[in-house]
Amino acid sequence: EPEVTQTPSHQVTQMGQEVILRCVPISNHLYFYWYRQILGQKVEFLVSFYNNEISEKSEIFDDQFSVERPDGSNFTLKIRSTKLEDSAMYFCASMRNSNQPQHFGDGTRLSIL
Amino acid sequence: AQSVTQLDSQVPVFEEAPVELRCNYSSSVSVYLFWYVQYPNQGLQLLLKYLSGSTLVKSINGFEAEFNKSQTSFHLRKPSVHISDTAEYFCAVSGDNAGNMLTFGGGTRLMVKP
Repeated sequence: EPEVTQTPSHQVTQMGQEVILRCVPISNHLYFYWYRQILGQKVEFLVSFYNNEISEKSEIFDDQFSVERPDGSNFTLKIRSTKLEDSAMYFCASMRNSNQPQHFGDGTRLSIL
Repeated sequence: AQSVTQLDSQVPVFEEAPVELRCNYSSSVSVYLFWYVQYPNQGLQLLLKYLSGSTLVKSINGFEAEFNKSQTSFHLRKPSVHISDTAEYFCAVSGDNAGNMLTFGGGTRLMVKP
């Protein structure tokens, strides 16, 4: 069964550095998402992406964050200048169409030192 | 705006006993409802979904959930649990908004004891 894959599984970065989290969604899916889960807290929506543009974003998704689908297969989340509070598990998800469920990757654990 | 409440953060239960994990939601629009399961050190796996049609939905591993619109609930049940069901279970809702973003509950840790 096709899967959403995320790399790396664990990323350790110094505060203030830029980080890029990578995702390969399921190949025939049209909607793409990023969520995060801070340790011990709820899974929170960050951003949705459809038709090569952001369709919705949360308050968390400020100017430090950006998303890109550079080559038709990868979907990336960039954090420009990381803060300690960005430490979390980041999940990528994709969806075939709007009345189907989202499928999640295994996540990237981001640790900011 | 949508919200999801999972009243129980942890549910300990003995193997082969029945279990119910509670989920209530609030939304001003029609919703789709989901249960996701997270095993240790793994991602979120879809367990069940309610999109339309029959309000009782079932998974291949014996779980079921019933959409109750009047009570705004989507409780998850299993008549007899196994040790392998030990995991974190998340209830989630999405509306018919442009992004179909999921709003998650806080999760319920199901701990099955021998």
